[in-house]
Amino acid sequence: AQSVSQHNHHVILSEAASLELGCNYSYGGTVNLFWYVQYPGQHLQLLLKYFSGDPLVKGIKGFEAEFIKSKFSFNLRKPSVQWSDTAEYFCAASRPMNYGGSQGNLIFGKGTKLSVKP
Amino acid sequence: DTAVSQTPKYLVTQMGNDKSIKCEQNLGHDTMYWYKQDSKKFLKIMFSYNNKELIINETVPNRFSPKSPDKAHLNLHINSLELGDSAVYFCASSLSGANVLTFGAGSRLTVL
Repeated sequence: AQSVSQHNHHVILSEAASLELGCNYSYGGTVNLFWYVQYPGQHLQLLLKYFSGDPLVKGIKGFEAEFIKSKFSFNLRKPSVQWSDTAEYFCAASRPMNYGGSQGNLIFGKGTKLSVKP
Repeated sequence: DTAVSQTPKYLVTQMGNDKSIKCEQNLGHDTMYWYKQDSKKFLKIMFSYNNKELIINETVPNRFSPKSPDKAHLNLHINSLELGDSAVYFCASSLSGANVLTFGAGSRLTVL
């Protein structure tokens, strides 16, 4: 079965530290990849997505992610975190509809909680 | 201003009761979804509706019945609530053909 793994359950960093959150997926072939963020008490918000093209994707709030097909990975990075980045981060994957996927059927990882100390 | 809004945000109820969660989106999307986030934080799709028609129905007990009166609304009705139904339920929407979902803030259901 298709799955998405996020290996870090809880990451604690000090402000200005660099961040890398791991994400691996089990799909073979063409895949759409996403990172969502959920700030405390708020809705899930799209940070960035990869559909095709440049494997280095830039998102909002200074986040970026790199798609490495050979490693089935889509790690999220930020060079310098801020206290306001404290949130839960979810990686998700889906098969594009023109490759047999169902629209909106995203497979999510379990999430990584990021705590940034001021 | 809220793009996808769900009510109620919190719901505490007894086993055996029937309850509903409402969802509305003002983005002009034509596809709406319900996702369930269990106690282990796994988010999994339950249903999706496109133009009021059911297009995805994952393995969900038939005690769960989605209802879409129009493109902007997708409500979730749950009969005979069980302890295992305790979870956070997320509504989402998208344009047809697009795989980018906009989520609501979630509704936390606690069954006692």
